[in-house]
Amino acid sequence: GAVVSQHPSRVICKSGTSVKIECRSLDFQATTMFWYRQFPKQSLMLMATSNEGSKATYEQGVEKDKFLINHASLTLSTLTVTSAHPEDSSFYICSASAGMGEKLFFGSGTQLSVL
Amino acid sequence: GENVGLHLPTLSVQEGDNSIINCAYSNSASDYFIWYKQESGKGPQFIIDIRSNMDKRQGQRVTVLLNKTVKHLSLQIAATQPGDSAVYFCAESVSGTYKYIFGTGTRLKVLA
Repeated sequence: GAVVSQHPSRVICKSGTSVKIECRSLDFQATTMFWYRQFPKQSLMLMATSNEGSKATYEQGVEKDKFLINHASLTLSTLTVTSAHPEDSSFYICSASAGMGEKLFFGSGTQLSVL
Repeated sequence: GENVGLHLPTLSVQEGDNSIINCAYSNSASDYFIWYKQESGKGPQFIIDIRSNMDKRQGQRVTVLLNKTVKHLSLQIAATQPGDSAVYFCAESVSGTYKYIFGTGTRLKVLA
């Protein structure tokens, strides 16, 4: 089946640094990818929709200058957490679909810990 | 997708018994549904999907039932095993859109 690859799986960084997370669709092209944040024992919170070749669409309350999204190709979207702070520590997950109303596949997630 | 950030209900099942996890969806226009399994520290894993032209679909040890009249979706797991312990959540979507709405999720605990 379709696979979405996400890495790194875990990253620890110092406060004030930036962290980039990659999300790749391995066997299908994804014009649209999604980025989520998940707190312990809670459901997924959609942060933004990443659109290939255009600007990402951010959900209300998500700072676009804080969470930079780049979707430069049909198989790669990146999320950069800029000037990370301890409150940005969380589990970040991406997902991708081959088309509208089609199966949505998730990456394995990235656990970000900001010291 | 939309956000649901609530604490998760828990279903405890004896190993070997059947599990039934329920999901009420919100949009009567939704015509595509997916069940996911999420283990601790991992991304959600696709289990099974169903389109609105079907009422039931079976996979390996899993069955999804769709009741469009009451906008209800269920996931049945036969002969539940310890490895089935995880959080399960449903997703609904409308064909022709990239909009996915996720359910709150249910934590399944399998008791030995």
